[in-house]
Amino acid sequence: SQTIHQWPATLVQPVGSPLSLECTVEGTSNPNLYWYRQAAGRGLQLLFYSVGIGQISSEVPQNLSASRPQDRQFILSSKKLLLSDSGFYLCAWNMGLGNQPQHFGDGTRLSIL
Amino acid sequence: SQQGEEDPQALSIQEGENATMNCSYKTSINNLQWYRQNSGRGLVHLILIRSNEREKHSGRLRVTLDTSKKSSSLLITASRAADTASYFCATDGAVMGAQKLVFGQGTRLTINP
Repeated sequence: SQTIHQWPATLVQPVGSPLSLECTVEGTSNPNLYWYRQAAGRGLQLLFYSVGIGQISSEVPQNLSASRPQDRQFILSSKKLLLSDSGFYLCAWNMGLGNQPQHFGDGTRLSIL
Repeated sequence: SQQGEEDPQALSIQEGENATMNCSYKTSINNLQWYRQNSGRGLVHLILIRSNEREKHSGRLRVTLDTSKKSSSLLITASRAADTASYFCATDGAVMGAQKLVFGQGTRLTINP
């Protein structure tokens, strides 16, 4: 069966520090991968998605970047965090076959001080 | 931008009662999906309904879709305390490839024992 792992679960970082959040998927090949951010009490906003190694699409302009160095690895990064980067970050995957649900990790709660 | 608008924003009912949540959207879709999120956790996929379907069932869940009104509803019958969670609808306009899911703000459902 397929599983998705995200870490860390919580992270507290000072303003201006770098960021690296990692997401890995097991049990499947060539998945579509997604990064979302969720503000408190709100729905999810799609940040990045990837349909293959090295292929990244950005949905919103921001202080963050994403990379996919391996087929089942998706990384969210920042060189210098802003206070507005605080939030709940979720990684998800699905197969690119059309009409497929997405499967989410347990998320990373990021607090910027 | 949030395409889905969910109603109500919060719903509190007694255990055993039925819960109905509604979702409206603005543009054409390929499918609409419902997800559940327990506090501080990732999202769990519940049901995907395609644009050419009108109703779908899964256990105690019933989803309807009216593309002419651009609306969907999620009915949970015989509610249980474990159903307490936030429920989100998400619309998908992609036929193939990566999904750019657009989420609503969610409905916070509380089941009182």
